[in-house]
Amino acid sequence: ETGVTQTPRHLVMGMTNKKSLKCEQHLGHNAMYWYKQSAKKPLELMFVYNFKEQTENNSVPSRFSPECPNSSHLFLHLHTLQPEDSALYLCASSQEKSGRGISRQYFGPGTRLTVT
Amino acid sequence: GEDVEQSLFLSVREGDSSVINCTYTDSSSTYLYWYKQEPGAGLQLLTYIFSNMDMKQDQRLTVLLNKKDKHLSLRIADTQTGDSAIYFCAESNSNYQLIWGAGTKLIIKP
Repeated sequence: ETGVTQTPRHLVMGMTNKKSLKCEQHLGHNAMYWYKQSAKKPLELMFVYNFKEQTENNSVPSRFSPECPNSSHLFLHLHTLQPEDSALYLCASSQEKSGRGISRQYFGPGTRLTVT
Repeated sequence: GEDVEQSLFLSVREGDSSVINCTYTDSSSTYLYWYKQEPGAGLQLLTYIFSNMDMKQDQRLTVLLNKKDKHLSLRIADTQTGDSAIYFCAESNSNYQLIWGAGTKLIIKP
């Protein structure tokens, strides 16, 4: 399924670097999400955008900065990260922010981030 | 707080049935979901059940919901090597957010 794409697939960065993760959805959805997936831990919702407006920020450190220029694109800007930020970062989209009714989210393949 | 719990690993023999269990805490959940993540891929919705149902069957998959005990299970009949993946349980909470479990890695033995 290529409805949600993410680039790069792998990223290694030093703690002083600045990089960005990109997500694009081709499904005509209005809501987009960033999740952090760490081994043996539940998926952590980081940010939610609904119709390009940020509606959720789950106490994410300011070294992660999201940007949603339009409803098809979502970025996660990274700077001065820590080794514990190493994880798989997943982007997802849905028809709208989960409301009544089935909440089906479509996920991208993720970016495997390693902070050295 | 809201919590979804699952075992981290399950190992079954090829051809046997797999039963993946999940418990949740939010009694106001409207929908409960099972997502599948294959190696190197994102999560894909496998199946879901509405909270007023107690069972749903879809080919080899059977979902059982015990709302009283807040227990959800996914049974995969005749488990195949292609079923190797991580299976995530999730619920919609009262704010319509998805609350996720840590995922159960299903290992298939020949």
